[in-house]
Amino acid sequence: AQSVTQLGSHVSVSEGALVLLRCNYSSSVPPYLFWYVQYPNQGLQLLLKYTSAATLVKGINGFEAEFKKSETSFHLTKPSAHMSDAAEYFCAVSPNSGGSNYKLTFGKGTLLTVNP
Amino acid sequence: GAGVSQTPSNKVTEKGKYVELRCDPISGHTALYWYRQSLGQGPEFLIYFQGTGAADDSGLPNDRFFAVRPEGSVSTLKIQRTERGDSAVYLCASSLGRGATAEAFFGQGTRLTVV
Repeated sequence: AQSVTQLGSHVSVSEGALVLLRCNYSSSVPPYLFWYVQYPNQGLQLLLKYTSAATLVKGINGFEAEFKKSETSFHLTKPSAHMSDAAEYFCAVSPNSGGSNYKLTFGKGTLLTVNP
Repeated sequence: GAGVSQTPSNKVTEKGKYVELRCDPISGHTALYWYRQSLGQGPEFLIYFQGTGAADDSGLPNDRFFAVRPEGSVSTLKIQRTERGDSAVYLCASSLGRGATAEAFFGQGTRLTVV
């Protein structure tokens, strides 16, 4: 079974500082990996995804993530935080083969706050 | 519509009652998913529809939960004899195709509270 661990349920950064949200996965084979963002009172929105192409993935709003097989990690980064980045972020995994590659397994989420 | 629409946005019901939650996917999306998000947790998979049929209902917690999609568009999640533990946000998503390469678009969810 696949699983996702997000280290830190709450991360606080200053505006302009580096954002680093950690995600580690457990899977017998390299899976597909995703980061979603959830703004207050809104649905989940896909930030970026890794599907076996380039290991450094660029997403929307200046975010990027790097797939590191040796570390089973897919950490999310942004060089400079904006106030508008304050939201909850979810890492998710799905199988990259077989019949159930539509099924997302999510981490518990990391709440990002950005201080002025 | 422009996005996935879920109604109602909030539902309060008494323990033991029956509830229906509606999802209106993006037009043309053949795949539809239901997830449940309990407080402090990430979303958990419930069921996946491809067209009218439930291709995978392995995430439904027990037989009190049932979902339909009779015409391959709107879906209804039905919960019988609700329990306080059913309180959660129920999320619906749809995608143009199946599989991880087809982006799933999520609705805002229905917050269900069982009192």
